[in-house]
Amino acid sequence: KNEVEQSPQNLTAQEGEFITINCSYSVGISALHWLQQHPGGGIVSLFMLSSGKKKHGRLIATINIQEKHSSLHITASHPRDSAVYICAVMGETSGSRLTFGEGTQLTVNP
Amino acid sequence: NAGVMQNPRHLVRRRGQEARLRCSPMKGHSHVYWYRQLPEEGLKFMVYLQKENIIDESGMPKERFSAEFPKEGPSILRIQQVVRGDSAAYFCASSPVRGPYGYTFGSGTRLTVV
Repeated sequence: KNEVEQSPQNLTAQEGEFITINCSYSVGISALHWLQQHPGGGIVSLFMLSSGKKKHGRLIATINIQEKHSSLHITASHPRDSAVYICAVMGETSGSRLTFGEGTQLTVNP
Repeated sequence: NAGVMQNPRHLVRRRGQEARLRCSPMKGHSHVYWYRQLPEEGLKFMVYLQKENIIDESGMPKERFSAEFPKEGPSILRIQQVVRGDSAAYFCASSPVRGPYGYTFGSGTRLTVV
């Protein structure tokens, strides 16, 4: 079992829909990142969380440390949101390295 | 602030050749991390360096791979005698301090071994 599990693996939505991507992890962490990767593109950090909730534009990220679970929400989704979304954790005992989930491929159709 | 700069963006090597991948961290960042993304797989940690020191190389293959981050200049990931299985996207990230804050990724180098 991977240390970081994401669901769903693939997600197709219609423009305007509310989207949720989930991430569960099995180790104690110092922080969790949500990352975005476009095809053939680089990796952009969307959020870094250690507790609570953060919001940036149409994106919201939450984390529940006790339940070892985080969610990424996209409100009013748009085709330009189509990308792979990756959850990554920095373990309490893993120094500064990140452990990644397999990613969620999101496709938003117009 | 140009961000984390990786070059080249694309690199093609024949089997047996050497590949050198470069990463210039963000200004003020002295911690560099290399990650590999194999085709259809997730990202995996390779090595963590601070200026002139390798801090954690637990993810580096035992042979043919090496990394350095000299006092001056970019961090280099070197792959000797490349094989087809080395074809992947190699991403570099940097941070100003040890830990999660300010973690910034580069655009990656896509290595293709033919």
